[in-house]
Amino acid sequence: QSALAQPASLSGSPGQSITISCTGTSSDVGGYDYVSWYQQHPGKAPKLMISEVTNRPSGVSNRFSGSKSGNTASLTISGLRAEDEADYYCNSYTSSSTRVFGGGTKLTVL
Amino acid sequence: QLQLQESGPGLVKPSETLSLTCTVSGGSITTVDYYWGWIRQPPGKGLEWIGTVYYSGSTYYNPSLKSRVTISLDSSNNHFSLKLSSVNAADTAVYYCARELRRSFGMDVWGQGTTVTISS
Repeated sequence: QSALAQPASLSGSPGQSITISCTGTSSDVGGYDYVSWYQQHPGKAPKLMISEVTNRPSGVSNRFSGSKSGNTASLTISGLRAEDEADYYCNSYTSSSTRVFGGGTKLTVL
Repeated sequence: QLQLQESGPGLVKPSETLSLTCTVSGGSITTVDYYWGWIRQPPGKGLEWIGTVYYSGSTYYNPSLKSRVTISLDSSNNHFSLKLSSVNAADTAVYYCARELRRSFGMDVWGQGTTVTISS
């Protein structure tokens, strides 16, 4: 299985909104509403930010939102803050009952 | 509060078998509500899903690693384990264990990770 496609890097200024894309196929992202997003700060374990495309776990800021269209899922962060600077990974369930991560996006807050 | 803790050798020789254990505290691993999985991250690179086990013993593996991977549950000790055989330098990584929600496949609880280096 191939890794889901994410932009390697993105940047934004405090207060702005940014969107990270995650492109797969009809066998993963496009076929199931089981896309999740993870935030990882340097030297730390990943943290679940979004599951089932749009669901935010308890405790995750409502500045984070998810969506999907066809084979591409997206994570939008509104009102960017310095603490949002991190790596972000998408993940999808697949038709083979496996899971696959995206390559990751490094978000820089200018 | 559920916690996961990885343990095992930090250094493994090439061609040998890497063995790690994830001890679960604050909850039982024999529950229908969760899967239990392993994920790794080579230095400076992204996350790679290794595989997942269900309380029933059913396992699901990354196709690229399937021939070398075994994940198992030990309900009596409330932990699950990873074995990766015939390792080489490309298997050097931080290895994480995680709980995965059955209803959403979201990995909501993670261990802190353990670094494994493959070197003679």
